[in-house]
Amino acid sequence: AQSVTQLGSHVSVSEGALVLLRCNYSSSVPPYLFWYVQYPNQGLQLLLKYTSAATLVKGINGFEAEFKKSETSFHLTKPSAHMSDAAEYFCAVSVSSGNTPLVFGKGTRLSVIA
Amino acid sequence: GAVVSQHPSRVICKSGTSVKIECRSLDFQATTMFWYRQFPKQSLMLMATSNEGSKATYEQGVEKDKFLINHASLTLSTLTVTSAHPEDSSFYICSASVRGNQPQHFGDGTRLSIL
Repeated sequence: AQSVTQLGSHVSVSEGALVLLRCNYSSSVPPYLFWYVQYPNQGLQLLLKYTSAATLVKGINGFEAEFKKSETSFHLTKPSAHMSDAAEYFCAVSVSSGNTPLVFGKGTRLSVIA
Repeated sequence: GAVVSQHPSRVICKSGTSVKIECRSLDFQATTMFWYRQFPKQSLMLMATSNEGSKATYEQGVEKDKFLINHASLTLSTLTVTSAHPEDSSFYICSASVRGNQPQHFGDGTRLSIL
């Protein structure tokens, strides 16, 4: 079975500050990990994915995440927050990179303060 | 890039009505599509896996007679909420993968409100 825990349902940062969204996973098989962003009343947009290649994954909009097997973590970071980054962020795990269901964390709402 | 289109984006209807939601892969063929449900301020929960040309696979606790899924072609899956009641009000999202090793792309979701 797989599961995802996102620590912090709401994170607030100042514009220009570091963004850190935490994600820990549990998986009985080597995991495939994803971060998605959701804007209000919209679907999910893929930010980045880990598929057993490089442990440091770079995504869109300046986001990156590092896979740490020893810590079972896949935290999302961005050096400098923009107002447009305010959204809901979901970490997800799957047993493959494609046609298998995703198991999502509860999500973290990111607020960016001017 | 790959695009998944979902229609309608919002539905408001009376209790007892059946509502059909369409999920289309616009520029690729999808043998498998997924249907998720999202309650307000909560995460997405998988409802079912839609397989082209065969019956959908439902998750435990999801009523297959309530949520009818049809995947009649490689570009279209439909979710029909039959005899909808207020507790069915939710945000429904579909997703599909271009190929087996590619991440899923999501539709923009359907906000269903049952009065």
